Amino acid sequence: DQQVKQNSPSLSVQEGRISILNCDYTNSMFDYFLWYKKYPAEGPTFLISISSIKDKNEDGRFTVFLNKSAKHLSLHIVPSQPGDSAVYFCAAMGGGSQGNLIFGKGTKLSVKP
Amino acid sequence: KAGVTQTPRYLIKTRGQQVTLSCSPISGHRSVSWYQQTPGQGLQFLFEYFSETQRNKGNFPGRFSGRQFSNSRSEMNVSTLELGDSALYLCASSHLAVDYNEQFFGPGTRLTVL
Repeated sequence: DQQVKQNSPSLSVQEGRISILNCDYTNSMFDYFLWYKKYPAEGPTFLISISSIKDKNEDGRFTVFLNKSAKHLSLHIVPSQPGDSAVYFCAAMGGGSQGNLIFGKGTKLSVKP
Repeated sequence: KAGVTQTPRYLIKTRGQQVTLSCSPISGHRSVSWYQQTPGQGLQFLFEYFSETQRNKGNFPGRFSGRQFSNSRSEMNVSTLELGDSALYLCASSHLAVDYNEQFFGPGTRLTVL
């Protein structure tokens, strides 16, 4: 059973507009969430994280929102740039599983010039 | 600081053989985790080592094993290879022992089993 779900396999956005990537989770023990970006033939690159005690964390063009009651988080990229085109993975950690990230299956973002 | 390095980058083996993959974490990082990425299953956790001890283990058969050395370098071994073991194997390191924190990934080892 998938504990972290990214229901949109792909997303296409125009350059300069907002990209919103969504992620849902089922395990209420998760208390730390991360977003990674991955280019082909490379390892995932850490983007931003959020602890469950917060509902928002911002870092430059990237903002992550967490809605604990809905078990939902989202990554906003504003403004989107062509270099943001990659696969984005949502990951969760918690319940004593340190060092064990549970990943979603990823969303492929394409930012068109 | 140098990033996480993994060797080799590419590997081709045949069914029944065994393979050993190596990972050098970022200097000062003591936790090393291993993941398997396949198109169908995505990124799945294999195991995590901290201070030479396996701290967490994912849901993989005993053919998958690992170890960590005193310098935090880690190796992962797969014995009796199967076609389904073809995947990208990623290693990630992190700094802190207790608090949650981000993991930094290496470029991966692409294993092909023929």
